[in-house]
Amino acid sequence: SQQGEEDPQALSIQEGENATMNCSYKTSINNLQWYRQNSGRGLVHLILIRSNEREKHSGRLRVTLDTSKKSSSLLITASRAADTASYFCATEDTGRRALTFGSGTRLQVQP
Amino acid sequence: KAGVTQTPRYLIKTRGQQVTLSCSPISGHRSVSWYQQTPGQGLQFLFEYFSETQRNKGNFPGRFSGRQFSNSRSEMNVSTLELGDSALYLCASSLATSGRTRTDTQYFGPGTRLTVL
Repeated sequence: SQQGEEDPQALSIQEGENATMNCSYKTSINNLQWYRQNSGRGLVHLILIRSNEREKHSGRLRVTLDTSKKSSSLLITASRAADTASYFCATEDTGRRALTFGSGTRLQVQP
Repeated sequence: KAGVTQTPRYLIKTRGQQVTLSCSPISGHRSVSWYQQTPGQGLQFLFEYFSETQRNKGNFPGRFSGRQFSNSRSEMNVSTLELGDSALYLCASSLATSGRTRTDTQYFGPGTRLTVL
């Protein structure tokens, strides 16, 4: 079953704009991870944020985590056409060695 | 380091047949997990293996099974295939530990796309 709900389901922006995706989950977690997937291919790991962290940066990516609201957001700054992909959040639940994925956000960056 | 590799990349089978998928983890990684991705159900966890032992299992019928070898390579088997088994099957590896929980990253392979006719 999927734990996370991602919002929006689809997002279309112009190159150079920022893209924000949100993820909500239901249980207690050890960490939350964001992945990118291009056209039904394998998942590429973007960033991992632990439950005791509130914000993390990696290049043009910024992830926030609010465990009190059970939510996370992924911000991609200065988007490029190459960022066009589906983005998934995944939680590792406390005491469970498996990732539970959200439904994903399809991002389209127009050149 | 080479990434996670999966073979074959594409597979077409008919209902009732069985299939075996293979996954080679990143060198040094001891944990291998399998996921199924379908348009309807999204990404779902199948099972995880560590040191040749299944440590965790998702909510899939017994037709789905797996194993891990001493070199950490893993295979997944699906018997008596059904149309609904058509999916992208993804394998992921991680360093992992023998502990109960982890905070390490899982690295995914390109997947095997299985079509059941």
